[in-house]
Amino acid sequence: GDSVTQMEGPVTLSEEACLTINCTYTATGYPSLFWYVQYPGEGLQLLLKATKADDKGSNKGFEATYRKETTSFHLEKGSVQVSDSAVYFCALSQSGGSDYKLSFGAGTTVTVRA
Amino acid sequence: NAGVMQNPRHLVRRRGQEARLRCSPMKGHSHVYWYRQLPEEGLKFMVYLQKENIIDESGMPKERFSAEFPKEGPSILRIQQVVRGDSAAYFCASSPTGTGKSYEQYFGPGTRLTVT
Repeated sequence: GDSVTQMEGPVTLSEEACLTINCTYTATGYPSLFWYVQYPGEGLQLLLKATKADDKGSNKGFEATYRKETTSFHLEKGSVQVSDSAVYFCALSQSGGSDYKLSFGAGTTVTVRA
Repeated sequence: NAGVMQNPRHLVRRRGQEARLRCSPMKGHSHVYWYRQLPEEGLKFMVYLQKENIIDESGMPKERFSAEFPKEGPSILRIQQVVRGDSAAYFCASSPTGTGKSYEQYFGPGTRLTVT
């Protein structure tokens, strides 16, 4: 079945450093891809998404490009802030009639130090 | 507009007891989804409900687990005769529609169930 593998954490960075979290997927058809973020004590929030190959999702300085040839959707940010400390989840939704069924990676905990 | 509410946030049960987890979707949302996150794993889909209907329960364990979303009130995930392997974080999400590439699921903060 469909699955997502993301980079293991935890990741600790200094403020203004570059962040990359790797995410690869296995899926049949043409899934949509997502990054969710969970801040301490809160629910998961959609950070960005891409629905077809070569689409680039972006939000709050984060970017990710849907690469069908490498089945990847890596998350990047050029200069992180302390407020970016959170758990980041890569996810996909199955194509076809079950596109409500999200499959998640295990999450990557990111801590940004001042 | 309040977000998705889940309660309790933390629940401790002894083996053999029942666990009831509640989820109030965002206002105007009639689609609810439950996910389970076991330790060191990603969230796994359990069930998709609309008001008074179970649409897809393909991710639910066959025994001891049930879910409902009544016409009035929150959605309930019920686990009977809990075992240690049920210890996990249970997340609820809601959406205004059920399908389509542009829709988004809004998640609650989760309920962390610990079975002792």
